[in-house]
Amino acid sequence: KQEVTQIPAALSVPEGENLVLNCSFTDSAIYNLQWFRQDPGKGLTSLLLIQSSQREQTSGRLNASLDKSSGRSTLYIAASQPGDSATYLCAVDNNAGNMLTFGGGTRLMVKP
Amino acid sequence: NAGVTQTPKFQVLKTGQSMTLQCAQDMNHEYMSWYRQDPGMGLRLIHYSVGAGITDQGEVPNGYNVSRSTTEDFPLRLLSAAPSQTSVYFCASSYSIYRGYAGELFFGEGSRLTVL
Repeated sequence: KQEVTQIPAALSVPEGENLVLNCSFTDSAIYNLQWFRQDPGKGLTSLLLIQSSQREQTSGRLNASLDKSSGRSTLYIAASQPGDSATYLCAVDNNAGNMLTFGGGTRLMVKP
Repeated sequence: NAGVTQTPKFQVLKTGQSMTLQCAQDMNHEYMSWYRQDPGMGLRLIHYSVGAGITDQGEVPNGYNVSRSTTEDFPLRLLSAAPSQTSVYFCASSYSIYRGYAGELFFGEGSRLTVL
């Protein structure tokens, strides 16, 4: 059974720092990996999707990398801002059917 | 552009009552799914559908029923509510990966259910 772990569970940084969020998974036979953002009391918003054949994806200040063989993904946030404060979740799809297995999330706080 | 719409946003039930959580999407997505989110457990898949008339069980299906009579709607029914079903429920949808789409998942705002 696929297991997804995110470290750290919580992170507090001053504004302007570059930071890395980590995601690891036990079964490397994935179809894709997605990073989501969740604001308190809200739904999830997809940030980046990496196909299994890709190594990384970029969107603005966000860069996600994928190393299938080691079962790891990282989300890099450049020049963090208070508006980046949220919970970040990674999820993997093993079946090409969008039946995702989620990690527990990293709760990020960016202080002004 | 409404996206994925869930109703109600909040609901309180008594043990043994039944209810339906509604989910509708206006993006012509083939895939629809229901997740529940609990503290310390993360998001877990309850049921999913790959198209109208087709549904299947996810990781935690017990106590829930679904049907998919149209592409747009995917209601989740609680048959006899139990306190263990107190949770936040999310509906999500996406295009079919087999049509060449990447599979980006779109979520609704969630339905917060409390069972007393």
